This record gives sequence, structure tokens and C-alpha cells, in this order.
Amino acid sequence: QVQLVESGGGVVQPGRSLRLACAASGFTFSRRGMHWVRQAPGKGLEWLAVISYDGSDKYYGDSVKGRLTISRDNSKNTLYLQMNSLGAEDTGVYYCAKDRTTPEIDYWGQGTLVTVSS
Amino acid sequence: QSALTQPASVSGSPGQSITISCTGTNSDVGGYNFVSWYQQHPGKAPKLMIYEVSNRPSGVPDRFSASKSGNTASLTISGLQAEDEADYYCSSYTSATTRVFGGGTKLTVL
Repeated sequence: QVQLVESGGGVVQPGRSLRLACAASGFTFSRRGMHWVRQAPGKGLEWLAVISYDGSDKYYGDSVKGRLTISRDNSKNTLYLQMNSLGAEDTGVYYCAKDRTTPEIDYWGQGTLVTVSS
Repeated sequence: QSALTQPASVSGSPGQSITISCTGTNSDVGGYNFVSWYQQHPGKAPKLMIYEVSNRPSGVPDRFSASKSGNTASLTISGLQAEDEADYYCSSYTSATTRVFGGGTKLTVL
């Protein structure tokens, strides 16, 4: 079965950087687009970024463009999110998610919590 | 990109039907048939309930149905059950090759 396991969350000071990872299994990782989605405490889902199956195309949400970088290593079945210049507004649960055969998310990880605080 | 518009909350009694709307633009909901719906229980990851506007994944009860007209998509839950109480989010592919979510709707089963 599909499994997406995020890691790398924690408490980080404002202005610092953090890299999240998502280990994928149960499907052919190298054939699917992958996403990062964020949920601030008590708030809704915010789409952050998508990367194509081979990593050649990347698209970002307007609110995070320039500060976040999505990448993948198909040899390791792992998705990454590099986050720079973190602020309080970046606090939340970060989910990785996979695309169906269509550009729609079908499976989500359990999420990793990032708290930006001094 | 602006979030899709959903009502903040809806409610219904067990056995009743409710509908949640999701309004976007010609650049997202109205322009593509890649509209999906997700259910999220507190503290849990979202779960796909509907894809490609009106299709249910295996395992999703047929009490869940959905449709689209113009720039507005709708999710209908019939025969409400207590376990349907959750937050529901719509999502759409966009003309910028990005994705956008609705603000979410809290469903309360009275």
C-alpha cells in the first residue's frame, strides 16, 4: 500500500532554514508528480509546491515562491522541501502528497510539524 | 492564486443530505475537470473522496457524490452519518499548472 512518511520537522528559530524529507513506498515513485501542502494550526490546507515525476518541472504557490525549493531523488524514493528565511507564518503541519495519473492528489502522508519560534 | 470559496460550515441531522459548494474561476474549477474533494478528521491527514469532479475512489461510500456547473463544484453527502462529521476541502488544477484548495467547510452532524 502507498506510504508517505515525512520527517525533518521541529522547532526552528525565525530566519533559519529547514529541510523536510518524505520517504515514499508502495508505488512507483519515479512515475508520479509529488506535492507539499501546509496546514497552519486551526487553518485550512495551503498548497505549496509540485514537482514532476522526473524533477524537470517545479511550480510554487505565490506565498512561498523564492523561499521554498522542492526537489526529489528518485534513486532514494524521497521528496524534499528546502525552506529558507522561516517566519512565524510558516508554522504548521507539512504534508507530502502524490498525484494520481491525473494532476490530482490521491494519497497524503501523516505530516510533520514545523514550529517557527524564538 | 486565490483560494476557492467554500462555506465555512454546514450542518445536518443523521439521514439528511447536505451540499457543500466550491466556487472558483475560469482559470481553475471552470477550466478543468480536475476538481477533487478531501475529508479531514481532526488530527488526521486528508483523505481523497472525489476525483475528476465526480468520481469516487474505491472504498468511498456512494453516499458521497459530486458535480460541477461552470465555476462552481458541489459535494453532496446523502444519508448523513455521525462519522461524516469532519472538515471538507475542494481542490482544483489551475491554468498556471499549480493547485488551489478551498478554505474548507466544517460539517457538523447534529
